[in-house]
Amino acid sequence: EVQLLESGGGLVQPGGSLRLSCAASAFTFSNYPMAWVRQAPGKGLEWVSAISHTGGSPYYADSVKGRFTISRDNSKNTLYLQMNSLRAEDTAVYYCAKEYGSGSYRWFDPWGQGTLVTVSS
Amino acid sequence: EIVLTQSPGTLSLSPGERATLSCRASQSVSGSYLAWYQQKPGQSPRLLIYDTSSRATGIPDRFSGSGSGTDFTLTISRLEPEDFAVYYCQQYGSSPRTFGQGTEVEIK
Repeated sequence: EVQLLESGGGLVQPGGSLRLSCAASAFTFSNYPMAWVRQAPGKGLEWVSAISHTGGSPYYADSVKGRFTISRDNSKNTLYLQMNSLRAEDTAVYYCAKEYGSGSYRWFDPWGQGTLVTVSS
Repeated sequence: EIVLTQSPGTLSLSPGERATLSCRASQSVSGSYLAWYQQKPGQSPRLLIYDTSSRATGIPDRFSGSGSGTDFTLTISRLEPEDFAVYYCQQYGSSPRTFGQGTEVEIK
């Protein structure tokens, strides 16, 4: 069974940094694009960032562009999200998700269990 | 960016009843590239439907999706106790990929 296990969340002050990790197992990680999606407390889902299966072509939501960096290490089956200059509005559960579909038209399946990031002083 | 509006916000129904959830897009969804997800409290979202009407692996056939252009529907033919949850639509036909705000299906 495909598993995605996020880690690295926690409490951070505004302006601080965190790096999230997502360890993947039970599928050929290097064959699939991956993404991060977040959910603020009690709110809906927001796509944050995605990356191709090779690690090229990263792209970002406007709300995080210039502050967040997505990357992956296919030798370690791990996806990362480096988050800098964090703001209160970045407080959310961050999910990693495997992308599936055809060409550039991809949905998210499955999702990890999420890791909570809280930005507060 | 395509804005997805889901209605109603909350649907109060009894087990065994039919649920009809709507997802309306601010502009046409390319290729009918629309998915539906189910999320239960404290859990991550689970894919139900992709490409408007294709059921994901392991999803019971009481779940069905339909629509095109700007109007899409998720139908649950007969609600089971485990179906009470929040449902999100998501379009992936254009960038950025966007989600609706969700419809909660609650027990009446």
